[in-house]
Amino acid sequence: DIQMTQSPSTLSAAVGDTVTITCRASQSIGRWLAWYQQKVGKAPKLLIYKASTLQSGVPSRFSGGGSETEFTLTISSLQPDDFATYYCQNYDRLSVFGQGTKVDVK
Amino acid sequence: QVRLQESGPGLVKPSETLSLTCIVSGGSITDSHWSWIRQSPGSGLEWIGNAYYSVYDGWTTRYNPSLQSRVTISLDTSKNQFSLVLKSVTAADTAVYYCARIPTSWGDYLDSWGQGALVTVSS
Repeated sequence: DIQMTQSPSTLSAAVGDTVTITCRASQSIGRWLAWYQQKVGKAPKLLIYKASTLQSGVPSRFSGGGSETEFTLTISSLQPDDFATYYCQNYDRLSVFGQGTKVDVK
Repeated sequence: QVRLQESGPGLVKPSETLSLTCIVSGGSITDSHWSWIRQSPGSGLEWIGNAYYSVYDGWTTRYNPSLQSRVTISLDTSKNQFSLVLKSVTAADTAVYYCARIPTSWGDYLDSWGQGALVTVSS
């Protein structure tokens, strides 16, 4: 079974910072990776799919990269609305989520 | 714009069956594929399974291997909704259950989500 490991588990940052979250797959998944943002008490929101394709309506400060086993989500110039938990999802054949990365206020 | 709404009992007894329905509005259930995901309190997201509709094959399913023996997802095209059935539940099945849409046939990412339904397993 493919495992998805995110790092760090928690990231403390300030408004205006650039932050990067990493998601590693236990085996190659091509570019079958999505990123989601979840706020407390809300459903997740799709940010990026196919590793780097920005979902319609998502601000361009979000960007995704990587392939095969290592992927990144970068938020440039962090905004107050960006403090949330972020999940990666492998959807190569079965779906597997990473354990999440909480971005909180430094 | 498609909207999804979960419905079903909020409390289920141990060993009984959990049943949830996702009502789809703003689009036809036959135009996309569909998914169930859950999130235990204070925990991350767990994929439950997907249902794929084809005009040629009807619907097919794919499940999380850890739940496969207990779960069934089905589609009701006449009501534009799809359902989740999870048998023999335990306290470990207590979670917020989300339904979501898979917008394409080229990758099972999830672009629209319901608001979630909390199901508690307790006697």
